[in-house]
Amino acid sequence: GAGVSQSPRYKVAKRGQDVALRCDPISGHVSLFWYQQALGQGPEFLTYFQNEAQLDKSGLPSDRFFAERPEGSVSTLKIQRTQQEDSAVYLCASSLGQGSNQPQHFGDGTRLSIL
Amino acid sequence: KNQVEQSPQSLIILEGKNCTLQCNYTVSPFSNLRWYKQDTGRGPVSLTIMTFSENTKSNGRYTATLDADTKQSSLHITASQLSDSASYICVVTTQGAQKLVFGQGTRLTINP
Repeated sequence: GAGVSQSPRYKVAKRGQDVALRCDPISGHVSLFWYQQALGQGPEFLTYFQNEAQLDKSGLPSDRFFAERPEGSVSTLKIQRTQQEDSAVYLCASSLGQGSNQPQHFGDGTRLSIL
Repeated sequence: KNQVEQSPQSLIILEGKNCTLQCNYTVSPFSNLRWYKQDTGRGPVSLTIMTFSENTKSNGRYTATLDADTKQSSLHITASQLSDSASYICVVTTQGAQKLVFGQGTRLTINP
């Protein structure tokens, strides 16, 4: 497809379960970002990849959060032992280059609900 | 402390009217400022990107201004349409950094 694709669109899990969220960036885009957006708030940065290298993971809230992009394309955000405060929309974005002036193209997000 | 503050938090106007949304930031050193539109249940879509040297940029009925000295930006929407109902988010990038710092957004509702 032409845009950033995320799956699943909705995920409901019980507290304590592990979840995996997938992001397919725009083909050829070097940079990939994950953001967490709580209800009624702006997105908050989680982590950034340049190709397969995770260059910044300063926004990951705890060691239960793990992201990977092993082949420099598709990325997965994994959350272990989920807690209710993990409920949010998780947004993925990609950009063609690595400069800070590059536009970021967002997917429609995965809405995660922890019961 | 939020480094990007937006006002108002929400705004309701009639179709056809103009409106202006405000953004103040403390992010430093500054690289660029972006305005995004986010429809309910969708990802943000870029409207404008402005660097330090730019003080105005237009995209159709959207006009963004930037005063890097006072660290303020505004987004002006002219002749509003029902489809303009969305959240408008101000986003600032730091020099040398890749991550975006988002404001909380202004929820705009256009009524017929």
